[in-house]
Amino acid sequence: EAAVTQSPRNKVAVTGGKVTLSCNQTNNHNNMYWYRQDTGHGLRLIHYSYGAGSTEKGDIPDGYKASRPSQENFSLILELATPSQTSVYFCASGEGQGGGNTLYFGEGSRLIVV
Amino acid sequence: GDSVTQTEGQVALSEEDFLTIHCNYSASGYPALFWYVQYPGEGPQFLFRASRDKEKGSSRGFEATYDKGTTSFHLRKASVQESDSAVYYCALGDPPGTGSNRLTFGKGTKFSLIP
Repeated sequence: EAAVTQSPRNKVAVTGGKVTLSCNQTNNHNNMYWYRQDTGHGLRLIHYSYGAGSTEKGDIPDGYKASRPSQENFSLILELATPSQTSVYFCASGEGQGGGNTLYFGEGSRLIVV
Repeated sequence: GDSVTQTEGQVALSEEDFLTIHCNYSASGYPALFWYVQYPGEGPQFLFRASRDKEKGSSRGFEATYDKGTTSFHLRKASVQESDSAVYYCALGDPPGTGSNRLTFGKGTKFSLIP
């Protein structure tokens, strides 16, 4: 069954530490996305990718990097984690062009930075 | 930039009541419009979409009609059940023909049933 899986599902990190959130999709979609979800803000786009080797900045990219080494994998990297990055992070994959594609989300990764 | 505004906060109704969650958008042209639903502990799930003026999307008893004149895509359900308790997100696709492929989400509306 096609799916988007994220790891880790839960993570506690220390301020200043490095955090990597991983995402794997079996949908064979070209496009992948990282969103964060916060109360009062909904889902906000951090980075996205159109295919292996490509990454694009979303609406709130500061403090985050992304890596897309293959069609299936897309990682979100926090080089120096801060408490303001405590959130739930969702990865999604999608297909199509022009904004009309449907996104399929993973179950989320809850990150707490202390 | 393009944006989506939906009913803020929470909506609580009794079983079999009629549910409406408002969604208005700000964008040029005819962007694709979406509704997603998120159950506790899960990621958002696609509910349905519409891409043209007057087009109706529907799924699981929910429906919404694309209205270019009022720039709206309000979610409606005639008779709510306990299983409908969730957070609902309205989303807006990037303009067709731009080569971009992102969705912009509203802040979400939590629906719950009054016991």
